[in-house]
Amino acid sequence: IAGITQAPTSQILAAGRRMTLRCTQDMRHNAMYWYRQDLGLGLRLIHYSNTAGTTGKGEVPDGYSVSRANTDDFPLTLASAVPSQTSVYFCASSDSRDTGELFFGEGSRLTVL
Amino acid sequence: GQNIDQPTEMTATEGAIVQINCTYQTSGFNGLFWYQQHAGEAPTFLSYNVLDGLEEKGRFSSFLSRSKGYSYLLLKELQMKDSASYLCASMDSNYQLIWGAGTKLIIKP
Repeated sequence: IAGITQAPTSQILAAGRRMTLRCTQDMRHNAMYWYRQDLGLGLRLIHYSNTAGTTGKGEVPDGYSVSRANTDDFPLTLASAVPSQTSVYFCASSDSRDTGELFFGEGSRLTVL
Repeated sequence: GQNIDQPTEMTATEGAIVQINCTYQTSGFNGLFWYQQHAGEAPTFLSYNVLDGLEEKGRFSSFLSRSKGYSYLLLKELQMKDSASYLCASMDSNYQLIWGAGTKLIIKP
């Protein structure tokens, strides 16, 4: 069982470029999340999806978009990357939105120059 | 505002006991969670408390006092592999997790 798979593992990107981080889960979880983790700060929620076909904004959604066309996939897109989006991005899933037991992917380290 | 406070770093000795404290202030409360994160890896779930008291799970225990907005994670019989960051998170009334910055635990032989 793979759990949650993220791609790419790491990426260096020029400012202004478009980038999509992929996330796939095989646990049939209803809820999925995208977080960014920066040194000295707690995990910050970017976007979430409580179930396929729905998405919501988290704490830091500006500059990011998501879609949830099916249960398994939850891609995160940076339309025009900026250096402040340099971070480690974690995708996570949970059985439902009201459980705090999240399962995380291995993370995607993104550097925007 | 919503806030989670935990120490930035702690050091302990192999075989000893360490207590990592967390204070929280969130809009509503639906549980307190602890996660472990080894360097360069993903966080993994450790424990969940929603009622006051101590929850024990092997070498790890977690305590909650809702009236004080306080929790701690207790690690016994420390092993070198316990060197990691420990993240405290409170779930607010909207079922959103509010995360602390994490406590880096360094274990010395």
